Amino acid sequence: GAGVSQSPSNKVTEKGKDVELRCDPISGHTALYWYRQRLGQGLEFLIYFQGNSAPDKSGLPSDRFSAERTGESVSTLTIQRTQQEDSAVYLCASSLGGQGFTEAFFGQGTRLTVV
Amino acid sequence: QQPVQSPQAVILREGEDAVINCSSSKALYSVHWYRQKHGEAPVFLMILLKGGEQKGHDKISASFNEKKQQSSLYLTASQLSYSGTYFCGTPSGSGYALNFGKGTSLLVTP
Repeated sequence: GAGVSQSPSNKVTEKGKDVELRCDPISGHTALYWYRQRLGQGLEFLIYFQGNSAPDKSGLPSDRFSAERTGESVSTLTIQRTQQEDSAVYLCASSLGGQGFTEAFFGQGTRLTVV
Repeated sequence: QQPVQSPQAVILREGEDAVINCSSSKALYSVHWYRQKHGEAPVFLMILLKGGEQKGHDKISASFNEKKQQSSLYLTASQLSYSGTYFCGTPSGSGYALNFGKGTSLLVTP
């Protein structure tokens, strides 16, 4: 596609439910990232995928958070037993190489509200 | 390892200049700048690499002082379209992702 696509754009869920957030990166981009942005805050790194290498999960805040990526395509971020503090915008980005070296393209994000 | 940005917020009149600073507690080989407009995705502005190479925006300039582990973004003759939140990012421990600062909110008024 033309850009990074995320779905859904908005998600309201009840506390304790599981949610899945989807990211379609730009075709050909080997690197994919998930970030969390709480209201009025900066971008908090969650997880990074690069090709077929083991993902860098160092930013995941708890074991309720997990993510998968199939090859160099779609990624899914799953949050289990959601809590109110999980409410945030979840942003996905992709790049041709590691983000430390090249520009990343962000999706519009999924706004998650846990009630 | 999150870089520190200053100021937190700035308000300008159209045509005025602004400087946004970013500092890190660890040695850097690159600094990245992104701008996010309200309700939109962050958009890449530029990368500054160790050794002086820059890639990015042709109307916004920046400096990178490797020894001081600092970068500054220079917005000259600001336009209304410059309004937004500016984030600097520095490579994470792995070097592949970025740790972002808390952002600097810039508002340019007519």
